[in-house]
Amino acid sequence: GAVVSQHPSWVICKSGTSVKIECRSLDFQATTMFWYRQFPKQSLMLMATSNEGSKATYEQGVEKDKFLINHASLTLSTLTVTSAHPEDSSFYICSASPGTTNNEQFFGPGTRLTVL
Amino acid sequence: QKEVEQDPGPLSVPEGAIVSLNCTYSNSAFQYFMWYRQYSRKGPELLMYTYSSGNKEDGRFTAQVDKSSKYISLFIRDSQPSDSATYLCAMRPRAGNNRKLIWGLGTSLAVNP
Repeated sequence: GAVVSQHPSWVICKSGTSVKIECRSLDFQATTMFWYRQFPKQSLMLMATSNEGSKATYEQGVEKDKFLINHASLTLSTLTVTSAHPEDSSFYICSASPGTTNNEQFFGPGTRLTVL
Repeated sequence: QKEVEQDPGPLSVPEGAIVSLNCTYSNSAFQYFMWYRQYSRKGPELLMYTYSSGNKEDGRFTAQVDKSSKYISLFIRDSQPSDSATYLCAMRPRAGNNRKLIWGLGTSLAVNP
């Protein structure tokens, strides 16, 4: 149980294009989903927290107009990197938390984005 | 000072050794403590989840929380090469609806056959 998938697992795009990453909780309903990015040999950096049906809460320094997050259902959240640039190249990971009292976060396998 | 401190290592041990991984923290309000394992180019996998103080055991893994010292540990018994990964601690307070976790940097572990 508690499986989270991400799609795509990797993507290469040209500078200036937009990329959408999907995060799905496969066997539970996720009231809250989190989006992280991770640079090589560094820890996870939280970008934003999203609750189903409401606007995402972005961490300080994360541009909400550049990283669009939609949490339209209890099993799906999407992250769109708009007008991507090479500095946006990173490993993007989502996590999902079931219920309102459960504190555990279950992570997806991550998406490696490379912007040329 | 960071809220959560974790030695990044790397830590290298022979197969079969007992491994001790640790994190210290500064926020006395932290109540939930987690250990995640992350293999290279993969998402983190939840290993252990504890609430407040005490010990929790699951197979070869034991998690300890000492709130008086603001110190948590993960012990791995009979370590295997497949345990080679980065281990991250994470924690958060009890109060509030924001379930944002505060993360350690992660400790890189290599178990040598």
